Amino acid sequence: SQTIHQWPATLVQPVGSPLSLECTVEGTSNPNLYWYRQAAGRGLQLLFYSVGIGQISSEVPQNLSASRPQDRQFILSSKKLLLSDSGFYLCAWSTLAGTGELFFGEGSRLTVL
Amino acid sequence: LAKTTQPISMDSYEGQEVNITCSHNNIATNDYITWYQQFPSQGPRFIIQGYKTKVTNEVASLFIPADRKSSTLSLPRVSLSDTAVYYCLVGEMNNNAGNMLTFGGGTRLMVKP
Repeated sequence: SQTIHQWPATLVQPVGSPLSLECTVEGTSNPNLYWYRQAAGRGLQLLFYSVGIGQISSEVPQNLSASRPQDRQFILSSKKLLLSDSGFYLCAWSTLAGTGELFFGEGSRLTVL
Repeated sequence: LAKTTQPISMDSYEGQEVNITCSHNNIATNDYITWYQQFPSQGPRFIIQGYKTKVTNEVASLFIPADRKSSTLSLPRVSLSDTAVYYCLVGEMNNNAGNMLTFGGGTRLMVKP
């Protein structure tokens, strides 16, 4: 069966520090991968999506970046965090078959102080 | 792009049937309607998807009128554990980007004892 894992689960970072969130998918090949962010009490904002290794599309311009060094690995990064980067970050995957259902990871809660 | 409108919140009591309606006046011919459920500090979970008429699974029913400009998610006999945020998404199935991946604010359902 397919599984998705992301880490770390929680982190507290000072303003201006770097960020690296990692997501891996198991049990499937060539998945579409996504990073979402959810501010407190708000809906999900699509940040990046990838249809293959090295292929990244950005939905919202910001100080975040994403990379896909391997087929089932998706990384969200920042060189310098802002207070507004605080939120709940979710990685997700889907395939082009079936309903296009999104499968989400456990989430990473980031607090920037 | 098809935009969706849902009530911000709803209250219900255990054992009642809950109907959450989503408006999507600009739905396109190739668009499907998908509903997700999200609990606090978790990623959304796929509930049901439909194109027209009625779809039913073990969790919910989805009613879509002939003009497809709205849809209604029906949860039979809700319990306290159904307290969550429910999102309606409209877009092409298996599309790599666009509406199918865009989550709005959702409807916050509170089930009371």
